Amino acid sequence: KAGVTQTPRYLIKTRGQQVTLSCSPISGHRSVSWYQQTPGQGLQFLFEYFSETQRNKGNFPGRFSGRQFSNSRSEMNVSTLELGDSALYLCASSQLGLAISTDTQYFGPGTRLTVL
Amino acid sequence: AQSVSQHNHHVILSEAASLELGCNYSYGGTVNLFWYVQYPGQHLQLLLKYFSGDPLVKGIKGFEAEFIKSKFSFNLRKPSVQWSDTAEYFCAVNANQAGTALIFGKGTTLSVSS
Repeated sequence: KAGVTQTPRYLIKTRGQQVTLSCSPISGHRSVSWYQQTPGQGLQFLFEYFSETQRNKGNFPGRFSGRQFSNSRSEMNVSTLELGDSALYLCASSQLGLAISTDTQYFGPGTRLTVL
Repeated sequence: AQSVSQHNHHVILSEAASLELGCNYSYGGTVNLFWYVQYPGQHLQLLLKYFSGDPLVKGIKGFEAEFIKSKFSFNLRKPSVQWSDTAEYFCAVNANQAGTALIFGKGTTLSVSS
């Protein structure tokens, strides 16, 4: 079974631009979550989508948004990029959103975003 | 707000030494608990998890963790580390019924010398 895939793997943007990152979950998984990883703040939860609906949102400004498609693939968008948005953005998928103990969240390799 | 504290930022051990990494969380309700590991250049991967039942859980590669509810702790242990255990370890908490949102600790870097 293929794992969680994220594209692109690396991205360089300048301040003020916007960016869209893509995540393809493991086949059959309906929940996709996004995390931001930085050296200073560590791993922080951005949002979760389940069956095309945002189910949960972390404490990030409205410049960060996302969506999920009917095939469970997800995209996240960051508008008006700031230097502090430079980070590794991780996507994770699970079948049922940790609703039961046998459910597990699998992480992708991440997209490394650098904002200049 | 929920938070997770990992007491050790960097741990250095020799091969065959025993390991214990501390993790404490702050949340009064029911929680699900996880330890993830990130080997150099690799994805985050699940080591073990606790949802309910036996508070001593066993994971992959000989790791185990004990949930002590009264201490809000979920410490990770391994009786004898190997050089290949060199990695960053993250403790995480999910508040029951809150979807997949994981609150992570800041991580502990483990360096094992051969």
